[in-house]
Amino acid sequence: ILNVEQSPQSLHVQEGDSTNFTCSFPSSNFYALHWYRWETAKSPEALFVMTLNGDEKKKGRISATLNTKEGYSYLYIKGSQPEDSATYLCAFYPGAGSYQLTFGKGTKLSVIP
Amino acid sequence: NAGVTQTPKFQVLKTGQSMTLQCAQDMNHNSMYWYRQDPGMGLRLIYYSASEGTTDKGEVPNGYNVSRLNKREFSLRLESAAPSQTSVYFCASTETVSFEAFFGQGTRLTVV
Repeated sequence: ILNVEQSPQSLHVQEGDSTNFTCSFPSSNFYALHWYRWETAKSPEALFVMTLNGDEKKKGRISATLNTKEGYSYLYIKGSQPEDSATYLCAFYPGAGSYQLTFGKGTKLSVIP
Repeated sequence: NAGVTQTPKFQVLKTGQSMTLQCAQDMNHNSMYWYRQDPGMGLRLIYYSASEGTTDKGEVPNGYNVSRLNKREFSLRLESAAPSQTSVYFCASTETVSFEAFFGQGTRLTVV
């Protein structure tokens, strides 16, 4: 079982605040790290797919960084809006002959208007 | 382009009954996955299929069987349902290079 940890488990922020979450994963055998956004009553949808150490991805107010050597990734949301309220999942794909895509338990973000 | 289609959306079973959850993707993906979602537990991998003709156990395979019928379809079977299998089940397929996952709409299963 691959250990993919996310913190914090949940977060409440005021509208306009910036926030960040952490995902940690095994630092050996790395192929890809994904971030997904999961809204209530919907299915998870990919935000970022990151494959290289030092990768930085950005989509609007949301960005992510990756450190494969130490096994962590950060997701940042700048100026949170109520529509950002969702659970954010990271998923680790080790490659090297393993096809196991393992998800963390997620960080549930609530943005208070 | 339907993506990943999962059926049924809802199901109630009595303890001991059997059922099969169906999943099909039309994106020509090689790998397919079944996860279950429980409160506070995130998505836990039940079984996966790296390619047509292969299946492997994930984190929580007990009580389940799978069939990779062809490249498009990957089914999950509960032979004798138990209340502990009450959960929301998600099927996913992954893009070949990045392994980005695309999910079905989920099946909410209640075992009474």
